[in-house]
Amino acid sequence: SAVISQKPSRDICQRGTSLTIQCQVDSQVTMMFWYRQQPGQSLTLIATANQGSEATYESGFVIDKFPISRPNLTFSTLTVSNMSPEDSSIYLCSVDGPGTGIYEQYFGPGTRLTVT
Amino acid sequence: TQLLEQSPQFLSIQEGENLTVYCNSSSVFSSLQWYRQEPGEGPVLLVTVVTGGEVKKLKRLTFQFGDARKDSSLHITAAQPGDTGLYLCAGYAASGTYKYIFGTGTRLKVLA
Repeated sequence: SAVISQKPSRDICQRGTSLTIQCQVDSQVTMMFWYRQQPGQSLTLIATANQGSEATYESGFVIDKFPISRPNLTFSTLTVSNMSPEDSSIYLCSVDGPGTGIYEQYFGPGTRLTVT
Repeated sequence: TQLLEQSPQFLSIQEGENLTVYCNSSSVFSSLQWYRQEPGEGPVLLVTVVTGGEVKKLKRLTFQFGDARKDSSLHITAAQPGDTGLYLCAGYAASGTYKYIFGTGTRLKVLA
């Protein structure tokens, strides 16, 4: 399994500002994923980030609002831009397990964002 | 659109009872995972099932993948308060898109 850390763990931000969330993995991974989760609810995939290429966004999510960087095989950032209260959520990054041929994910602890 | 419906959505039971959570879809998945998430933490992988009809056991938890690889179930025997949490199934798409589809979630509370 992979050990994943996220920064910050939580933040309270004013509307109209931006927040960048960092995701660090203890091993090199090909794919990284960013999710959004309302407390107590399931996960919604925002985008998939492959090192060396543009992130692939899911329907309803756009690069201008959620720009993603993936500079190397152990690190990624997600920026939540021009925030509104509707962006208040938990943001999670995840990675695929090591190359066993069986696909499974490991998650960071999440970033709890509150927009006032 | 691929969807994974979980039932029940909420479950509150007494310690020692048994329960089953279902995860259903009309789509075929090449593998399916079950996760448990506790407040303030990310989901933690419990098991991955790959083969249709496969059954895996993890202590008091039994996981089954449907023969057609469209559905799965999680059975907990003699539930304990430590089993409390949000249970999520996730299917890995069989073709095309390289992503996981998460189920709607089941919130379990086990009372002592």
